[in-house]
Amino acid sequence: EDQVTQSPEALRLQEGESSSLNCSYTVSGLRGLFWYRQDPGKGPEFLFTLYSAGEEKEKERLKATLTKKESFLHITAPKPEDSATYLCAPLDSNYQLIWGAGTKLIIKP
Amino acid sequence: DGGITQSPKYLFRKEGQNVTLSCEQNLNHDAMYWYRQDPGQGLRLIYYSQIVNDFQKGDIAEGYSVSREKKESFPLTVTSAQKNPTAFYLCASTQRETSGYNEQFFGPGTRLTVL
Repeated sequence: EDQVTQSPEALRLQEGESSSLNCSYTVSGLRGLFWYRQDPGKGPEFLFTLYSAGEEKEKERLKATLTKKESFLHITAPKPEDSATYLCAPLDSNYQLIWGAGTKLIIKP
Repeated sequence: DGGITQSPKYLFRKEGQNVTLSCEQNLNHDAMYWYRQDPGQGLRLIYYSQIVNDFQKGDIAEGYSVSREKKESFPLTVTSAQKNPTAFYLCASTQRETSGYNEQFFGPGTRLTVL
């Protein structure tokens, strides 16, 4: 059965303190992996798509990487406005997204 | 501006009542989706539609119904058969490709509460 686990569930950082969020998956016939950002009470906002192991993508202070079993979202020198819940969603062989529960990131000034 | 709109933002339902959530998109996307989000869980797929007048059940379709009469619109009805409907409901859309898969764009959501 396809599974996705995001860790940690919540992460509190000081402004400027870099860290990484993890997305571990067991998905048959992975076709890609998506990262989204979700602010409280709003819909998810697309960040990245990764298609193959070894691929990396960057956007401002965020960098997403992919291996055969997990993906990482690295955040460098975060700011309070980076506070949000970050969701990962692998795409399986049937083109269905399998959503993780998310990591709630809190950046304190 | 192109995007997805959902209405209402907040909805309250009494026991035994059917309610309909609206989702409209002006992105000219072929595919549309309905998800349910509960605290501590990933998004769960209720229904999806890849083309007008056609839709498929997702993982948790029981107690819900949809229609796709127009490309721009994909309303979701939460029926009285859905025993635990209190949740945050998200509508999404994407452009289909002959190969590959594009990202989904999401609406702002509707929060449904059962009184």
